[in-house]
Amino acid sequence: QKEVEQNSGPLSVPEGAIASLNCTYSDRGSQSFFWYRQYSGKSPELIMFIYSNGDKEDGRFTAQLNKASQYVSLLIRDSQPSDSATYLCAVKGPSLNNNDMRFGAGTRLTVKP
Amino acid sequence: DTAVSQTPKYLVTQMGNDKSIKCEQNLGHDTMYWYKQDSKKFLKIMFSYNNKELIINETVPNRFSPKSPDKAHLNLHINSLELGDSAVYFCASSPRTGNSPLHFGNGTRLTVT
Repeated sequence: QKEVEQNSGPLSVPEGAIASLNCTYSDRGSQSFFWYRQYSGKSPELIMFIYSNGDKEDGRFTAQLNKASQYVSLLIRDSQPSDSATYLCAVKGPSLNNNDMRFGAGTRLTVKP
Repeated sequence: DTAVSQTPKYLVTQMGNDKSIKCEQNLGHDTMYWYKQDSKKFLKIMFSYNNKELIINETVPNRFSPKSPDKAHLNLHINSLELGDSAVYFCASSPRTGNSPLHFGNGTRLTVT
């Protein structure tokens, strides 16, 4: 079982729609959860982080965390062509070592004008 | 500029050679990392140092040797390069606080011919 799993996509949505990206993780001791965006040929950049169960909103982005289900999601409202990128889910933990950050394989998102 | 900087940006070399990649951060962070991103874009942790001390050493061939002369620098030396070492190598740093995100350098694209 992979530590962090994401659908690799590609996920294609029309401009203005909501893009929904999902991620599950295997270690119940994980403490913090991150979404990074990576454009082709560039380094990952942080867009959201969440530590507590529930929703966290930042502009057009909403992160959702359900620790009981070991599930994290990212919603992008009013998707724009500039949102087209690979989105990486990352989990920090396991609980023994909070410096250890593990990434999913990423979901490639395409927003079509 | 405050950042994580790594050099070189591109590295093309032949099988069997030895090469080094340098990384420096001026963010005052205690923890530094090396990640490898393969052609499928999977970002895999290799090493992590906390204030010059090795704390994460994943299953990486012995040909890879990290060196941290001080907490602002983490270099990666690779001996006897193989074709399979071709990838993008990212350096990253984070504060010691467990929940903090990682800040990535711009990556080094290594091509072994």
